Amino acid sequence: AQRVTQPEKLLSVFKGAPVELKCNYSYSGSPELFWYVQYSRQRLQLLLRHISRESIKGFTADLNKGETSFHLKKPFAQEEDSAMYYCALSVTGRALTFGSGTRLQVQP
Amino acid sequence: DTGVSQDPRHKITKRGQNVTFRCDPISEHNRLYWYRQTLGQGPEFLTYFQNEAQLEKSRLLSDRFSAERPKGSFSTLEIQRTEQGDSAMYLCASSFNDRREQFFGPGTRLTVL
Repeated sequence: AQRVTQPEKLLSVFKGAPVELKCNYSYSGSPELFWYVQYSRQRLQLLLRHISRESIKGFTADLNKGETSFHLKKPFAQEEDSAMYYCALSVTGRALTFGSGTRLQVQP
Repeated sequence: DTGVSQDPRHKITKRGQNVTFRCDPISEHNRLYWYRQTLGQGPEFLTYFQNEAQLEKSRLLSDRFSAERPKGSFSTLEIQRTEQGDSAMYLCASSFNDRREQFFGPGTRLTVL
């Protein structure tokens, strides 16, 4: 069975500092990886997906199949990036498997 | 608002009572998913539908849980004989065919006293 691990429950950085939210997965095939974000009092929403290879709100994530990782990065954190971030995996159109989430706090 | 909607947003019930939640997906989406999220955890898959067919159920979905999507549009999730361990946020999501991007509703927060 597939599994997603987010080792940090909380990541606190200062505004302007680089951010890296870690995500590791276990699955023997070729999954699709996502990052979802939940801002305070808002619903869960897609931030980015690995197949699109795009940057959203300055965030990027690269799928590393060798290390089975999909870390989320941003070079300069902003206060409005403070939120809960979930890494998720999908296999062949089935349901998403989520990690336990990392809370990002960006301090002024 | 054309997003996924869920009703009610909050439900408080006593142990042993039955509860039913409703989810209205985005209108053109034929896939509908139910997840459960407890404090400090990510969402956990419960079940999903393609149109009116229930295609997969998680082992988390005990026989006290039942979900329906009778006309391939809205869905209901019923929990019978609720237990305190059922207290959680119940999330609904929808997607178009097998596109992997799922759109989430605001959730129904269940508290079992």
